[in-house]
Amino acid sequence: DIVMTQSPLSLPVTPGEPAFISCRSSQSLLHSNGYKYLDWYLQKPGQSPQLLIYLGSSRASGVPDRFTGGGSGTDFTLKISRVEAEDVGVYYCMQSLQTPHTFGQGTKLEIK
Amino acid sequence: QVRLQESGPGLVRPWETLSLTCTVSGDSISGFYWSWIRQPPGKGLEWIGYIYYIGSTNYNPSLKSRITISVDTSKNQFSLKLSSVTAADTAVYYCARHKVGVAGSTVFDFWGQGILVTVSS
Repeated sequence: DIVMTQSPLSLPVTPGEPAFISCRSSQSLLHSNGYKYLDWYLQKPGQSPQLLIYLGSSRASGVPDRFTGGGSGTDFTLKISRVEAEDVGVYYCMQSLQTPHTFGQGTKLEIK
Repeated sequence: QVRLQESGPGLVRPWETLSLTCTVSGDSISGFYWSWIRQPPGKGLEWIGYIYYIGSTNYNPSLKSRITISVDTSKNQFSLKLSSVTAADTAVYYCARHKVGVAGSTVFDFWGQGILVTVSS
């Protein structure tokens, strides 16, 4: 199985400041077609996870442009340019290159 | 808008079989993959497996010997059975639509609200 490792696990952020979440995979998620099979999900308090980013850097429908995904084959970053109160929750990266699909441990973003 | 709703017992005895159903509304179950994902209390997400609407399946090897996922297109439902459960299977179980898009990308674009299943005697 591909192991996904996130850091930090806890992220206190002041509103308006940027936030960075790192995700590392135990194997490259770069396919021969040039796409990186890494997705980001946000689980807001008391809710189901929701898709934010797919294929490493493509924003899902309705996701604000303050969310940006990037990275190489094994090291990925989710950047929130200016954190808002509604961004609190747990962020998960997930590899969709192969089954079993595997998630990172989650990064809990909270407002300072 | 696609909606998914999990249903089933919230309490299962150890060594018995957990059975859940996901009812899909707002769109046909046909043409898509459908997954089960679980989340133990206070922990992260674990993909359990998926079923394609025609019945082909793909299971997480860690659970494969105990899982059966089935689909009933006439009812727009799919189901999960997990046998010989223990306390380690206590979790919120989510059903989700598995959308295949650009470059074969596969994302969970719609999720149910989740159902807490507790394994206890």
